[in-house]
Amino acid sequence: SQQGEEDPQALSIQEGENATMNCSYKTSINNLQWYRQNSGRGLVHLILIRSNEREKHSGRLRVTLDTSKKSSSLLITASRAADTASYFCATTNNAGNMLTFGGGTRLMVKP
Amino acid sequence: DTAVSQTPKYLVTQMGNDKSIKCEQNLGHDTMYWYKQDSKKFLKIMFSYNNKELIINETVPNRFSPKSPDKAHLNLHINSLELGDSAVYFCASRLGQGTEAFFGQGTRLTVV
Repeated sequence: SQQGEEDPQALSIQEGENATMNCSYKTSINNLQWYRQNSGRGLVHLILIRSNEREKHSGRLRVTLDTSKKSSSLLITASRAADTASYFCATTNNAGNMLTFGGGTRLMVKP
Repeated sequence: DTAVSQTPKYLVTQMGNDKSIKCEQNLGHDTMYWYKQDSKKFLKIMFSYNNKELIINETVPNRFSPKSPDKAHLNLHINSLELGDSAVYFCASRLGQGTEAFFGQGTRLTVV
């Protein structure tokens, strides 16, 4: 079964608005990562948050992690049309040998 | 310089054929992966491989076999291709468990 599940599956917003995506997972993790995938391309790493961290920022990105609820959120502030893509969370298990992805959120930012 | 490269980018083949997808990384990473992405964009891990161990996802049919001639290469060989094997296959690598993964551009496999 899939380790991570993302919510919502699809999100459509206007340029300038904030976009929030959530990820839930099932088992203990070493870290959680967020990736972006443009249509027809490979995945690109955005940000990594370790299991002992609660929040992390990178530019317009803010990631939170709640290990007690086994959930994470990705916030993109002041969205741009170029942010249109699919966003995936991925978890690393404690053994460190697996990197398991959620189903992804398809974000559309309308100009 | 491409960090993780896959070939071919597109592969169209008939049912029953055997095909291989090649992956090379020039990052010096120890861990490499193969993923299958279906039409709904769902990414499923197939194999995780490092210098010491090959981890096989038990849901992967044994028609799929990874082959690693050296640390920088992890190829995927598929026997007796089926229609359901049509998908985009991604190779990825990373240095270790606490680091980011780098992905290839994907191989779109179409079985007809």
